[in-house]
Amino acid sequence: ELKVEQNPLFLSMQEGKNYTIYCNYSTTSDRLYWYRQDPGKSLESLFVLLSNGAVKQEGRLMASLDTKARLSTLHITAAVHDLSATYFCAVVSYNTDKLIFGTGTRLQVFP
Amino acid sequence: DTAVSQTPKYLVTQMGNDKSIKCEQNLGHDTMYWYKQDSKKFLKIMFSYNNKELIINETVPNRFSPKSPDKAHLNLHINSLELGDSAVYFCASSQVSGSYNEQFFGPGTRLTVL
Repeated sequence: ELKVEQNPLFLSMQEGKNYTIYCNYSTTSDRLYWYRQDPGKSLESLFVLLSNGAVKQEGRLMASLDTKARLSTLHITAAVHDLSATYFCAVVSYNTDKLIFGTGTRLQVFP
Repeated sequence: DTAVSQTPKYLVTQMGNDKSIKCEQNLGHDTMYWYKQDSKKFLKIMFSYNNKELIINETVPNRFSPKSPDKAHLNLHINSLELGDSAVYFCASSQVSGSYNEQFFGPGTRLTVL
């Protein structure tokens, strides 16, 4: 059964700093997604990663996928307060086509 | 022109009651889903329908019954509500035949069972 783990679960960082959130998954998959959720809000799609070595960037966020290592990273560059949210990775289960979510990483950016 | 909409946004009810949550998407997608997000923010799929046909049916109590009258609507009916049903329920939709098969989520329904 596919399991998806994220770390850290909680990240408190200062504005202007860089950091990386990690997403590991346990079985083969060909699709990985990153979502953002603000408190009390819905999930907003950030990135779709479909192949090994895929890298996508939007503003201060950059996501990458290594299917051999079963690892995706979400890198934050020069964090700003507006990035404070919970970030989820989600992986499609190869056999069942189900989207399995990671535990989420709650990011807090302070001045 | 909301893409995926849910009603109601909040639902407060007593144990033992029956309630429904409605979901509609205007994206022309062929697949719709229900997810449950618990108090620890953990998201888990419950059901999915493709063109009105049940595709995914997770280990969910049979008090939960999804119904899809057409491919733009997926409702969730819950019988005999229990305290543990309190959560946020999200509807989502996607186009499975598309290369991305990206799921778009509704605003969520916060269910509180007293």
